[in-house]
Amino acid sequence: KQEVTQIPAALSVPEGENLVLNCSFTDSAIYNLQWFRQDPGKGLTSLLLIQSSQREQTSGRLNASLDKSSGRSTLYIAASQPGDSATYLCAVTDRGSTLGRLYFGRGTQLTVWP
Amino acid sequence: EAEVAQSPRYKITEKSQAVAFWCDPISGHATLYWYRQILGQGPELLVQFQDESVVDDSQLPKDRFSAERLKGVDSTLKIQPAELGDSAMYLCASSPSTSNSYNEQFFGPGTRLTVL
Repeated sequence: KQEVTQIPAALSVPEGENLVLNCSFTDSAIYNLQWFRQDPGKGLTSLLLIQSSQREQTSGRLNASLDKSSGRSTLYIAASQPGDSATYLCAVTDRGSTLGRLYFGRGTQLTVWP
Repeated sequence: EAEVAQSPRYKITEKSQAVAFWCDPISGHATLYWYRQILGQGPELLVQFQDESVVDDSQLPKDRFSAERLKGVDSTLKIQPAELGDSAMYLCASSPSTSNSYNEQFFGPGTRLTVL
């Protein structure tokens, strides 16, 4: 069974810092990896999707990389802002699963203070 | 912009009562998923539909949970009877493709269930 781990579990930083959130997965046979943002008590917002054949994706101040062979992904947030405060979840679509089931990590709770 | 709709947003019930959640996926999306997220954890799949057919319900507690998608569009998830351990966020997601390679899932706002 695919296991997804996210480190750190929580992170508190001052505004303006560049951040790295880490995600690892146990089975490298994946179709893709998604990063999500979740605000307290809310649903999930998709941030970036990386296909297994890709190495990275960028959207604005966000950059996600994927090293499938080592089972790792990183989400890089540049010039963090208080509005970035949320929980960030990593999820993989496992090749062994039925039609696209996502396996999630527990998330990294990010707080950016002014 | 098209979104996944869910209702209700919040539900408080007493244990042993029945509850039902509704989800309307993005128009044209063939695949629909129900996930459960316990506080402090990542979401876990309960059931997956391809059109009106269940393709994965291996994690659904079938003694008390049921799900249907009768016309292959919107879906209902039911719990009867509810137990204290069912308190969680119930998330619905949909996907436009049957191909795993391009399976980006779009999530609704969720239903927060509290069982007293």
